[in-house]
Amino acid sequence: DTAVSQTPKYLVTQMGNDKSIKCEQNLGHDTMYWYKQDSKKFLKIMFSYNNKELIINETVPNRFSPKSPDKAHLNLHINSLELGDSAVYFCASSPEGQGAKNIQYFGAGTRLSVL
Amino acid sequence: QKEVEQNSGPLSVPEGAIASLNCTYSDRVSQSFFWYRQYSGKSPELIMSIYSNGDKEDGRFTAQLNKASQYVSLLIRDSQPSDSATYLCAPTFYNQGGKLIFGQGTELSVKP
Repeated sequence: DTAVSQTPKYLVTQMGNDKSIKCEQNLGHDTMYWYKQDSKKFLKIMFSYNNKELIINETVPNRFSPKSPDKAHLNLHINSLELGDSAVYFCASSPEGQGAKNIQYFGAGTRLSVL
Repeated sequence: QKEVEQNSGPLSVPEGAIASLNCTYSDRVSQSFFWYRQYSGKSPELIMSIYSNGDKEDGRFTAQLNKASQYVSLLIRDSQPSDSATYLCAPTFYNQGGKLIFGQGTELSVKP
């Protein structure tokens, strides 16, 4: 059973479209994250939620909107997609959002290509 | 200065050798440190965590932390071709919501 699962794995779309990426974890963790890994492989935090509450909101265009219907799910909706949004998006979860032992587990990633 | 810096590599070592991966971080109150391994096209997977100064060993892996020098390293003994991957250093800092701040990663290549 996959601990952190993301769908879809690949997403190819045109500029200007709106798309969503879904993430679910079955680990019973309280905190979930979205990271973006660009073409240079640099991995950067975008958002985190703790038990459905937004904790981290990095400097991300407001075209990106996370939604957490419950603590096991964190979805990412992207409006008006741009070429620069092409990247791999990783979802992660951890048992606690703070503290010294905040170990995060990553999903397989969603490779988004904007044409 | 970047918050977390790693030598981007590639670092090439022969099979059976010790691979040494280094990471320095900016002058902030650090909390914990993680080393993730990422194979090409795959997601990061945790291989080591360290929270206090000194060494921590787990199988062929040893993490070393020196908070005074703002330095953390990962040693891989008896390197295997299967260790060829990108290694990401990721500290967390106090009052930062637990977010991992990744370095740019060091690409390791172990030659048979």
